[in-house]
Amino acid sequence: AQTVTQSQPEMSVQEAETVTLSCTYDTSENNYYLFWYKQPPSRQMILVIRQEAYKQQNATENRFSVNFQKAAKSFSLKISDSQLGDTAMYFCAFMKFEDSNYQLIWGAGTKLIIKP
Amino acid sequence: NAGVTQTPKFQVLKTGQSMTLQCAQDMNHEYMSWYRQDPGMGLRLIHYSVGAGITDQGEVPNGYNVSRSTTEDFPLRLLSAAPSQTSVYFCASSYSPADSYEQYFGPGTRLTVT
Repeated sequence: AQTVTQSQPEMSVQEAETVTLSCTYDTSENNYYLFWYKQPPSRQMILVIRQEAYKQQNATENRFSVNFQKAAKSFSLKISDSQLGDTAMYFCAFMKFEDSNYQLIWGAGTKLIIKP
Repeated sequence: NAGVTQTPKFQVLKTGQSMTLQCAQDMNHEYMSWYRQDPGMGLRLIHYSVGAGITDQGEVPNGYNVSRSTTEDFPLRLLSAAPSQTSVYFCASSYSPADSYEQYFGPGTRLTVT
């Protein structure tokens, strides 16, 4: 069975610093998708970044980038020039979809606090 | 577009009561799903639907029923509420998970069962 592990329950950094959140997953599949979602105190779930497993190039979205290591089954999120608005829970998620079968597995989350 | 809407935002039930959590989307998404979020855990999939008339169970389906009579609506029914169902419930939709399209989430419903 697929699992997703986020080993850092909570992290805090100073504003403008760079922070990396870790995520590892376990699967025997070759084709799948990986996501990072952000959940601010408003509770709304917001997609931060997405990575297709067949793509070797790491995904980037403005200040957010990932380090996707397929062989190591690692999918870390790097936030550069962190801002106060980045304070939130961050969830890593793994998705496999085949025919009509669907599976989305979520990590337990990392609470990120950006300090002024 | 209103996106994904959920009602109610908060609900308190007594053990044994039944209720329906409403979810609607106006983006013509085929795929809809229900999750529950508990402290210290990631989201867990309850039920999902790949189109009108088609539903399937997720990771934690016991105690919940769903139906999908229209593309827009995907209600979640609690037949006999239990304290273990105290949680925050999220509804989500997307064009197609096969294309890894972004899932759009509703604002959530905080349910307390006493």
